[in-house]
Amino acid sequence: KQEVTQIPAALSVPEGENLVLNCSFTDSAIYNLQWFRQDPGKGLTSLLLIQSSQREQTSGRLNASLDKSSGRSTLYIAASQPGDSATYLCAVRPLGSGNTGKLIFGQGTTLQVKP
Amino acid sequence: DGGITQSPKYLFRKEGQNVTLSCEQNLNHDAMYWYRQDPGQGLRLIYYSQIVNDFQKGDIAEGYSVSREKKESFPLTVTSAQKNPTAFYLCASSIGFVGGRAGETQYFGPGTRLLVL
Repeated sequence: KQEVTQIPAALSVPEGENLVLNCSFTDSAIYNLQWFRQDPGKGLTSLLLIQSSQREQTSGRLNASLDKSSGRSTLYIAASQPGDSATYLCAVRPLGSGNTGKLIFGQGTTLQVKP
Repeated sequence: DGGITQSPKYLFRKEGQNVTLSCEQNLNHDAMYWYRQDPGQGLRLIYYSQIVNDFQKGDIAEGYSVSREKKESFPLTVTSAQKNPTAFYLCASSIGFVGGRAGETQYFGPGTRLLVL
């Protein structure tokens, strides 16, 4: 059974710091891995999607990497800003879920960036 | 504006009562999903629908029911059989079948918080 874990559960950093969020999954048989952002009491916004054949994806100050063989992904945030404060969730799409769109989510890392 | 709307934002349920959460999308997406989120946990799939008039159970379907009579609408009913309904409920949609695989990105609504009186 696929399980997704995110460590740490919470992180507090000063503004301007570079930081890394971690995501691990137990089964490497995945189509892709996706990182989402969730603001308090809100829905999810997709940040980056990495296909299983890819190693990384970049968008602005965000860079996500994928090491499928070791079951790990990292989300790197450069020059953090208070506006980056949110909960970050990773999710994998297992192989065999093709026509269901099923995603398996981690518990999330809640990030606070202090001014 | 294109997107997904959910209503109400907050919903209160009395014991023994069925309540229905609304989800509407104007993205012309075929696939729609309902997730439940509990504090400190990730999202868990309740039901999904790949096309109108068809839907499938997810991982935690017990105590819930859905319908998909229109492409743009996928309401979720929380029945009295769901003993622990307090949670944040999120609806999502995607373009559906593309080359035999579900559309890659799911777009989420703002959520409905369900509380028990």
